[in-house]
This record gives sequence, C-alpha cells and structure tokens, in this order.
Amino acid sequence: GAVVSQHPSRVICKSGTSVKIECRSLDFQATTMFWYRQFPKQSLMLMATSNEGSKATYEQGVEKDKFLINHASLTLSTLTVTSAHPEDSSFYICSASLSLNTEAFFGQGTRLTVV
Amino acid sequence: GIQVEQSPPDLILQEGANSTLRCNFSDSVNNLQWFHQNPWGQLINLFYIPSGTKQNGRLSATTVATERYSLLYISSSQTTDSGVYFCAVHTGGFKTIFGAGTRLFVKA
Repeated sequence: GAVVSQHPSRVICKSGTSVKIECRSLDFQATTMFWYRQFPKQSLMLMATSNEGSKATYEQGVEKDKFLINHASLTLSTLTVTSAHPEDSSFYICSASLSLNTEAFFGQGTRLTVV
Repeated sequence: GIQVEQSPPDLILQEGANSTLRCNFSDSVNNLQWFHQNPWGQLINLFYIPSGTKQNGRLSATTVATERYSLLYISSSQTTDSGVYFCAVHTGGFKTIFGAGTRLFVKA
C-alpha cells in the first residue's frame, strides 16, 4: 500500500507558541490530504481537507485561523497550530488516498501536548 | 450527514476466542475500510471492502452494501489483537467518516 509519513510523532510546546506538523506522501502524489483530531478514547474527527495549490476546506466548528493548513506540493501538507493552548493538546493524524474514492492511508500521528 | 455506528463499544475476550464486530451506516457509501489502532495510535489498514468478503489470516470482513452494514471477524484471538477497531466509510469525494470504534481487550 501507499505510505504516508507524519512528523513529528510527539511534541511538547509552551502555551502561546506555534507548532507545525508535516504530512508527506512518500511514494505517490496526493492532490488532497485530510487532517483529523482524536481526543483520548474517542474516534477520529475530520478537521479539514487540504487541497494542493488552493485553500483548505475546514469542517464546521474548526477555527481556520487556529489551525493553518498549507498544501504547497503534491507530496506535502502542513498543519500549524497557532498560539497553542492546553485545550489544543490532542492526537493529530493525516491521511491521503491515491485517487478519488480509493483506500485511505494514514500517517503515524502526532501527539501534541501544550503546557 | 452520514452516521456510522459500531458495536459492541467494548469487548473483552479470552485468548483463543472468536468475535464479530459490526458496522452499520445510514446511507449509501462509495467504500468502506476497517482499521486497527494500536496502542501508539497508528492506524493499521485491515480491509478495504466496499462489498463482498475478504480474508487475511485470522481476520475476515464482509460488507453488504445494499443492507448498509459490514462485519469484521476475528478468529483465534491473540493478545496482540487488543486495541481499537474502527470502521470508516468514504462518502462523496475523498472524505472518510469514522465510527466510534470497538475497544477490544484480549486476555492471556
């Protein structure tokens, strides 16, 4: 299957700082990538759809100014959590598919802790 | 939007036992996947199964799209099978919507 790599796997940051998470498709090009958030013992909730060369599409209730998404190339999407606060602490995970309506592959996830 | 319901929410098995996990969805979907989330959070692709039956070792899955459900069978369970099993459906376009998951614990 296709490989999606996410970095970093863990990050601890101070309140008020910004954190960037990278999601790369290693062996295929992805015009669309997805970002999810998962709270402890809960399911994955779609945050936004990242579109190469255009603005991301955010799900209802997700602050686009808090979670900045950039998809500058066909193999890289980044999620920046700006002015992070403890309530932003969570597990963030990205996914990509080879093409429309095909199998989704997920990165390893990033565990963010804001102190 | 589409609703994805998984049952049971929690399951405890003795090693060697068999189990069936269920996924119901409220509308027609383009595709369906089963995942195992390991203790480190990594989502492992188990099956990509829009319809029909697939088998991979001790695991198998069946999706009946016309009746809007899918089943994941685990036979001869092992402690390493512990974790959370998610069903996820693909709606129009690329979106993947997850169920709440089944949390499985296999006792030695």
